[in-house]
Amino acid sequence: GENVEQHPSTLSVQEGDSAVIKCTYSDSASNYFPWYKQELGKRPQLIIDIRSNVGEKKDQRIAVTLNKTAKHFSLHITETQPEDSAVYFCAASVMNDMRFGAGTRLTVKP
Amino acid sequence: GAGVSQSPSNKVTEKGKDVELRCDPISGHTALYWYRQRLGQGLEFLIYFQGNSAPDKSGLPSDRFSAERTGESVSTLTIQRTQQEDSAVYLCASSVDRGLVTQYFGPGTRLTVL
Repeated sequence: GENVEQHPSTLSVQEGDSAVIKCTYSDSASNYFPWYKQELGKRPQLIIDIRSNVGEKKDQRIAVTLNKTAKHFSLHITETQPEDSAVYFCAASVMNDMRFGAGTRLTVKP
Repeated sequence: GAGVSQSPSNKVTEKGKDVELRCDPISGHTALYWYRQRLGQGLEFLIYFQGNSAPDKSGLPSDRFSAERTGESVSTLTIQRTQQEDSAVYLCASSVDRGLVTQYFGPGTRLTVL
């Protein structure tokens, strides 16, 4: 089955700096890659997703890139703000079989 | 419209007791998932239902765990003879089939086994 690895496990940045979280996946058939943000004590919420026919997608300060050859995808957050502090999960999906990375705890220091 | 709902929101039980957790998916969502999230940990896949197909039970950690879903409606996750290591938040998510696989999560049930 699919195996998703996520790095780093923790990330601390200064407000205004950029943050990058990286994930790799094992199943080349995976075709959908969402990113979820989970604030303390709350449910995971989808923040951005990308499908395998697209290399990059951007939504305001958030962007995701996908390298299918390397089976690697990344989340980029620019101009970070304290409210970006949360745990971020990547996931890779084949049809409806979705597996999650272990999560990255992002702390944005004011 | 209404999102995914779960009940109870919190459950405290004694070791050895059985518990039943409930998930109401978004209406029309054919796919339903259960995950376990231990404190400070990631999302651990437990089981997946897709319409009337046989569920994918590959993530269930032991035979004390079982889940049911009737058609495309409510699902229940049952844990028998609970152990302290079962303490976690149990999250349910649902999604629409036909390639649109965004999962929408419920608020979770926080289970504490004393």
